[in-house]
Amino acid sequence: QVQLQESGPGLVKPSETLSLTCGVSGFSISSGYYWAWIRQPPGKGLESIGSMYHSGSTYYNPSLKSRVTLSVDTSKNQFYLKLSSVTAADTAVYYCARQHGNHWFDPWGQGTLVTVSS
Amino acid sequence: QSALTQPPSASGSPGQSVTISCTGTSSDVGGYDYVSWYQQHPGKAPKLMVYEVSKRPSGVPDRFSGSKSGNTASLTVSGLQAEDEADYYCSSYAGSNNYVVFGGGTNLAVL
Repeated sequence: QVQLQESGPGLVKPSETLSLTCGVSGFSISSGYYWAWIRQPPGKGLESIGSMYHSGSTYYNPSLKSRVTLSVDTSKNQFYLKLSSVTAADTAVYYCARQHGNHWFDPWGQGTLVTVSS
Repeated sequence: QSALTQPPSASGSPGQSVTISCTGTSSDVGGYDYVSWYQQHPGKAPKLMVYEVSKRPSGVPDRFSGSKSGNTASLTVSGLQAEDEADYYCSSYAGSNNYVVFGGGTNLAVL
């Protein structure tokens, strides 16, 4: 059974960089699939951030592309999100997920709330 | 404003059927058979219910069905049950430059 778990600081100051880790168990990242990040501001809908293949191929939401860095560590079976120059608008629950063929997401991690505030 | 348009709310009585629409453009919903639907209960992560327009993952009841016509996709929930009360989101592949887009979500109430 594939399981994903997000981790990272719950509070980030404005203009700083948000950094999150997604640990994967039950499946080897290097075996395939894209590995994705999605976020959900409080009380609002879902927004895709981007995804990465273990070989380095990436896809990004155009609206976030300039601030997003995705990376993968196959030795730790983890992948990472960095979002720079954050503002209050980046406050959200951040989910990681396995992505099938750059299309649907399954399964998802439980999500982690990141608040941007001084 | 979300890329895909969903009604903010829908409702039905137990045992009834409800259909939720998801309208996009020829660049996303209409251009690819890569529409998926997610169910989200309060405080929980989204759960995949339908992928590739009409396919159901293992474990999802056949009461959930998906379809597409032109630029509009639909999710039908038949034989409504209390546990179906949740938010539902559609998403679609939108090409390599636009990636994946989501709808704004529909809150389904079982009256």
